[in-house]
Amino acid sequence: DAGVTQSPTHLIKTRGQQVTLRCSPKSGHDTVSWYQQALGQGPQFIFQYYEEEERQRGNFPDRFSGHQFPNYSSELNVNALLLGDSALYLCASSLGVQGAGETQYFGPGTRLLVL
Amino acid sequence: AQSVTQPDIHITVSEGASLELRCNYSYGATPYLFWYVQSPGQGLQLLLKYFSGDTLVQGIKGFEAEFKRSQSSFNLRKPSVHWSDAAEYFCAVGGGYNKLIFGAGTRLAVHP
Repeated sequence: DAGVTQSPTHLIKTRGQQVTLRCSPKSGHDTVSWYQQALGQGPQFIFQYYEEEERQRGNFPDRFSGHQFPNYSSELNVNALLLGDSALYLCASSLGVQGAGETQYFGPGTRLLVL
Repeated sequence: AQSVTQPDIHITVSEGASLELRCNYSYGATPYLFWYVQSPGQGLQLLLKYFSGDTLVQGIKGFEAEFKRSQSSFNLRKPSVHWSDAAEYFCAVGGGYNKLIFGAGTRLAVHP
């Protein structure tokens, strides 16, 4: 049973560019959440997708957007990259219908460096 | 506002010694509480979780945690640490629609 997968593993971009990160959830899961983990900090919630809709969003600007596909995989897009966007981006999947408290399973992350 | 505080940024213990990592939370209702571990360059692995019932929760790798409502705490413990336990540990509280709010983490180093 494949766990959560993310691609690419590493990415280098320059300021002002746009980036797309991808996530495939654990088999059977229908909900994908994205987190940003800056160096030396805990992960911060960006947003969550369920049934192809953004269900809730953290305190991130509109430069951060996402999408969920019918097969439950998801993309995170970041426009107009800033140096401060350099971080490890983590995707987590879970069963959305269970609501709060359902275990989230994390992927290995995509490390983004903005120069 | 919901928040999680991990007071210890860095802890060093000797192999075989006992371990306790502290976690305090702020949450308006009955919290869902989690401990995750992150090895270098890796994602997060769930160690254990608390929803309700018995306040002492057993997890994987010999870890346990105790929920104390009166102290708003959910401390993680292990009776005997192994060198492979060296990692970063994150406490988290589950909010609406299962949004996780994490603490800043505690980095554990293990001396042989």
